[in-house]
Amino acid sequence: EVQLVDSGGGLVKPGGSLRLSCAASGFKFTNVWMSWVRQAPGKGLEWVGRIKSRFEGWTTEYAAPVNGRFTISRDDPKEMMYLQMDSLKTEDTGIYYCTVDYQDGWFDPWGQGTLVTVSS
Amino acid sequence: DIQMTQSPSYVSASVGDRVTIACRASQDIGGWLAWYQQRPGKAPKLLIYSAINLQYGVPSRFSGSGSGTDFTLTISSLQPEDFATYFCQQANTFPRTFGQGTKVEIK
Repeated sequence: EVQLVDSGGGLVKPGGSLRLSCAASGFKFTNVWMSWVRQAPGKGLEWVGRIKSRFEGWTTEYAAPVNGRFTISRDDPKEMMYLQMDSLKTEDTGIYYCTVDYQDGWFDPWGQGTLVTVSS
Repeated sequence: DIQMTQSPSYVSASVGDRVTIACRASQDIGGWLAWYQQRPGKAPKLLIYSAINLQYGVPSRFSGSGSGTDFTLTISSLQPEDFATYFCQQANTFPRTFGQGTKVEIK
């Protein structure tokens, strides 16, 4: 069964850091691109960033609001992806989902999400 | 960034109704559009990609149409499990952007 499990969310103060994890199983993780998408409380979906596969040199790309503060990495042997979030702001609050990023641009499947709350 | 605008924001409908949701892109995206379903408290699920293609396992009562800037998601006969929020997403350019969502509620 194809599965993604997100973890690592929690409460953090503005300016703080948090690292999210995404555990993959049931598919050839090393070959796929992966993305993070977030959803502010009661709001829509916002693409955060992605990491390509080893075939593309594990290249990363980020949305403008998080560029320079967030870093995506992956550990292919462990079938894990990570989102290191630094200099967190209150507007970073939301549920963070990891997802397989089809090179055509679609996202499927998705993890169950992990809640990040940035508040003093 | 390409702006995606959905209408309506809310739909009140009954089981068996035909429901249509529109999505408009701020510029031509060809057929690079996907639709997702999000049930309360759950992650989004891909329903349709490339504007018209049904993802594997998605019931045939769901269909997509359109190209360029105007797209439509149609549910031909609404079922109890279809009450959810639906999002469109463009995959033509970076960054990928989503519509604000359309909530389908029980009448």
